Amino acid sequence: GESVGLHLPTLSVQEGDNSIINCAYSNSASDYFIWYKQESGKGPQFIIDIRSNMDKRQGQRVTVLLNKTVKHLSLQIAATQPGDSAVYFCAEIKGTPLVFGKGTRLSVIA
Amino acid sequence: DTGVSQDPRHKITKRGQNVTFRCDPISEHNRLYWYRQTLGQGPEFLTYFQNEAQLEKSRLLSDRFSAERPKGSFSTLEIQRTEQGDSAMYLCASSLSGGTAEAFFGQGTRLTVV
Repeated sequence: GESVGLHLPTLSVQEGDNSIINCAYSNSASDYFIWYKQESGKGPQFIIDIRSNMDKRQGQRVTVLLNKTVKHLSLQIAATQPGDSAVYFCAEIKGTPLVFGKGTRLSVIA
Repeated sequence: DTGVSQDPRHKITKRGQNVTFRCDPISEHNRLYWYRQTLGQGPEFLTYFQNEAQLEKSRLLSDRFSAERPKGSFSTLEIQRTEQGDSAMYLCASSLSGGTAEAFFGQGTRLTVV
């Protein structure tokens, strides 16, 4: 079946550096792609979303890029901080509901 | 705090017992979702409601699972005759229908079946 997946399960980044978390998807009919952040013991927290007709969207310290040609989604975090340490999930929506990938654990090294 | 609350936060139960979880969504949200998450995995969709109507159920939702949202506000998820494989975090989320993709998640209920 069609699914959302992630390239790397873990990512370690030095504090202050930029982080890039990647995600591959296979459902080209999805309407939205979303990035969620999940800290230990908490539910997923919405970070940013992007419509399927967009290539790029920027938020506060975060940028999401969508490459529909290769079905690839990335989350860029600028000036990574210790508070960014968490598991990051990409998810897609076609209709309802959200379909989540496995997740990437981001560890920030102080 | 996202505004979605779940109760209890933790539940330990013996195999074969029934358990019920409650979710209170953000008050103006008409959609409510239940997800299950096991360690190291992303949340897996179980079911969702629009107002009081249950619109979709995953095939993960066996006949031991039932969810209700009787007045279109809070929801309950019941698991009958629990099995060790039911041990997971059960997450509730809510959103407005149409337009935004943003769903707000609660803190989850961690179920341990012993």
